[in-house]
Amino acid sequence: DTGVSQDPRHKITKRGQNVTFRCDPISEHNRLYWYRQTLGQGPEFLTYFQNEAQLEKSRLLSDRFSAERPKGSFSTLEIQRTEQGDSAMYLCASSSTGTGTEAFFGQGTRLTVV
Amino acid sequence: AQSVTQPDIHITVSEGASLELRCNYSYGATPYLFWYVQSPGQGLQLLLKYFSGDTLVQGIKGFEAEFKRSQSSFNLRKPSVHWSDAAEYFCAVVSYNFNKFYFGSGTKLNVKP
Repeated sequence: DTGVSQDPRHKITKRGQNVTFRCDPISEHNRLYWYRQTLGQGPEFLTYFQNEAQLEKSRLLSDRFSAERPKGSFSTLEIQRTEQGDSAMYLCASSSTGTGTEAFFGQGTRLTVV
Repeated sequence: AQSVTQPDIHITVSEGASLELRCNYSYGATPYLFWYVQSPGQGLQLLLKYFSGDTLVQGIKGFEAEFKRSQSSFNLRKPSVHWSDAAEYFCAVVSYNFNKFYFGSGTKLNVKP
């Protein structure tokens, strides 16, 4: 296991289309996070899973956004009816349970909405 | 509410010079603090973390950071910068139950030859 894997790395889509991103966390990690990063900014929290349960969602996550983590393994982030403002880097991270554990980040999916 | 401030958006240093990147946090309890580095188009890599104990923590690539509770700061330092250190650096604090990391807006480091 070489780390957190995200697919695709880049996605260009037309406004109004739906897109789905996948994240494969480090296998023994039960925590999974999605973040969004726009140019010149730090990552902003979107949502968090512990195993298969989605425990927290940011208000940034409008009703066009949905995330799942079936069986507590990989996760998907779907954006419906994309808008130009959705253009950003979408980062996935995972960590193990317990105090003192850092989050390991994937390389991200760069979304461009045209 | 938890937050992180990185006052310097851009910093340029000469190769071989020392470096200090500033980070101030706002958190109600004992913070868990991190520094991450991001190269262009890449994800974030952990440099170091502070949870408790010695307030001077050592990280990878020769970086260190010092936690100062009285100043609510966690500044990152390196005694001699290498050209390969050019990247963007993010300070972060994590919530008490580890369900959310709060990141600063980042400091972009340029290294002059």
